[in-house]
Amino acid sequence: AQSVAQPEDQVNVAEGNPLTVKCTYSVSGNPYLFWYVQYPNRGLQFLLKYITGDNLVKGSYGFEAEFNKSQTSFHLKKPSALVSDSALYFCAVRDLTDNDMRFGAGTRLTVKP
Amino acid sequence: EPEVTQTPSHQVTQMGQEVILRCVPISNHLYFYWYRQILGQKVEFLVSFYNNEISEKSEIFDDQFSVERPDGSNFTLKIRSTKLEDSAMYFCASRGTLAYEQYFGPGTRLTVT
Repeated sequence: AQSVAQPEDQVNVAEGNPLTVKCTYSVSGNPYLFWYVQYPNRGLQFLLKYITGDNLVKGSYGFEAEFNKSQTSFHLKKPSALVSDSALYFCAVRDLTDNDMRFGAGTRLTVKP
Repeated sequence: EPEVTQTPSHQVTQMGQEVILRCVPISNHLYFYWYRQILGQKVEFLVSFYNNEISEKSEIFDDQFSVERPDGSNFTLKIRSTKLEDSAMYFCASRGTLAYEQYFGPGTRLTVT
């Protein structure tokens, strides 16, 4: 069965600085990997995905993520953080044989002015 | 842009009562899901549904839960006899046949008193 770990409950960065939100995964085969963002009192909003191909994927709002198979990681990154990026970020994984996704526990990103 | 909708946005019910949470998935999607999130914590998979039947369910999805697609547009989650611990945000999601990512509705906050 697939699983996801987000080792940091909280990430704090200053506006304009680069940000990284970490995610590691475990699946039996090749993974499908996703990042979602949740703003207060809202549903989950899809940011980006890795299915196959280039290890660096680009998504919405200037976010990108790097797939690293040897380290089983899929860290979310952004070169320059905005205060409006402050939210709860979830990494999710699905393997080729399963229809459902498994989510990490979430990382709360706070970007301070 | 098409989106998943959910009603009601907030449901308050007494312990032991039945509740039905409603979702309208994106119109050309064929895969449907329910998740729950307790107090802004981890998003937990409940059930996936395809071709008018459950394709996968988690250990949370016990006999008290059921899902149904009563017509061509709605997808419902029923909890037969609610417990205090059922209080959570319930998210519906849908996915297109050729897509990998799921799109989430805004959620229904269920409060069991």
